[in-house]
Amino acid sequence: DTEVTQTPKHLVMGMTNKKSLKCEQHMGHRAMYWYKQKAKKPPELMFVYSYEKLSINESVPSRFSPECPNSSLLNLHLHALQPEDSALYLCASSQGGMGPTDTQYFGPGTRLTVL
Amino acid sequence: GDSVTQMEGPVTLSEEAFLTINCTYTATGYPSLFWYVQYPGEGLQLLLKATKADDKGSNKGFEATYRKETTSFHLEKGSVQVSDSAVYFCALSPANTGNQFYFGTGTSLTVIP
Repeated sequence: DTEVTQTPKHLVMGMTNKKSLKCEQHMGHRAMYWYKQKAKKPPELMFVYSYEKLSINESVPSRFSPECPNSSLLNLHLHALQPEDSALYLCASSQGGMGPTDTQYFGPGTRLTVL
Repeated sequence: GDSVTQMEGPVTLSEEAFLTINCTYTATGYPSLFWYVQYPGEGLQLLLKATKADDKGSNKGFEATYRKETTSFHLEKGSVQVSDSAVYFCALSPANTGNQFYFGTGTSLTVIP
């Protein structure tokens, strides 16, 4: 089973709201990722957690706050977002090895709209 | 730095036509190479991968061969179906670091009956 689940599927929020995106995997993977994808573009890496520690933060604004409570869960906390943050947010996981053969498996994404 | 260059789209084909989507890469050493497919409204699904030179990845009738000499990983399918309509992304995982993918720009494929 190579399933990564994400909730919610759709989210509409105002610029003053606080919300969270959730990602879960039960494949025993030790690396988890957040990506942002705009329409007709490739995914852009936001954060990487490796063994539950933040290992990569691609200069993402502080209004996005990741959290990895345990090896199966990854959250993305959202606060004071801007309309340009509207996008598909994808979670991915991989076994967590440091070699190039580590394959990433993606969830279905959360479609976020900021009003 | 490492990068992936992918054939510009969109591509429109008739059902049962032959498909080629070109992908070339720039990287040091021996990266791993991947093709992902994204159907409308969905996340990315791994289609196939190759981890060393001359490896051929294959899945669901799609194939791609890792060519070190031409730094290419072109995606091919002999006979496309309407259900293959999607966006296809070529991706690279560098040889000397983990946890990092480089994606191509994506190629949108539409197959018409």
